[in-house]
Amino acid sequence: TQLLEQSPQFLSIQEGENLTVYCNSSSVFSSLQWYRQEPGEGPVLLVTVVTGGEVKKLKRLTFQFGDARKDSSLHITAAQPGDTGLYLCAGALDDFNKFYFGSGTKLNVKP
Amino acid sequence: IAGITQAPTSQILAAGRRMTLRCTQDMRHNAMYWYRQDLGLGLRLIHYSNTAGTTGKGEVPDGYSVSRANTDDFPLTLASAVPSQTSVYFCASSDGTASGGVEQFFGPGTRLTVL
Repeated sequence: TQLLEQSPQFLSIQEGENLTVYCNSSSVFSSLQWYRQEPGEGPVLLVTVVTGGEVKKLKRLTFQFGDARKDSSLHITAAQPGDTGLYLCAGALDDFNKFYFGSGTKLNVKP
Repeated sequence: IAGITQAPTSQILAAGRRMTLRCTQDMRHNAMYWYRQDLGLGLRLIHYSNTAGTTGKGEVPDGYSVSRANTDDFPLTLASAVPSQTSVYFCASSDGTASGGVEQFFGPGTRLTVL
């Protein structure tokens, strides 16, 4: 079993719809990150959250870190085809250089 | 600035052979990492290094070894490859100095097939 569980695994929606991706664990993380990965490339960092209850916004993307620092969510408003990709959450425990990744959510936004 | 380079881009290897995947970064980052990515499992940390001269085990270190002789290079060696090591391997680096919230920069990956 993985330390971080992501849901849903797959999501196919129409352009303009809203969506939320979840990242859950029973462990407490010192920081949690969200990455986006395109086919054939490495992941690229979207955001880092470090404080319980923290909310960060990046244009149409809203990231939230749970109060207990065990879970996080990524909400996309008015999804666009350019949002298509694999979204990964990653958390660090005591060693801030040792990251555990979730299994990812594959998002497809249809025009 | 190239960032992180990995070599080879892809490789087909016979089981039992020894293989070294190369990773070089030019950002003078302290920390480097090796991950493998398998369908449905996300990325799993194999080994990491907080600074030159030190290494640590990740989630799935068995069958792999690493060395960190200098800041820029972090090779990953499969001493005797097995089919279950078929995967896409990503190298990453970060400045590794911030407590919580370091940004990892990833290389383009090496696709390895062990037959």
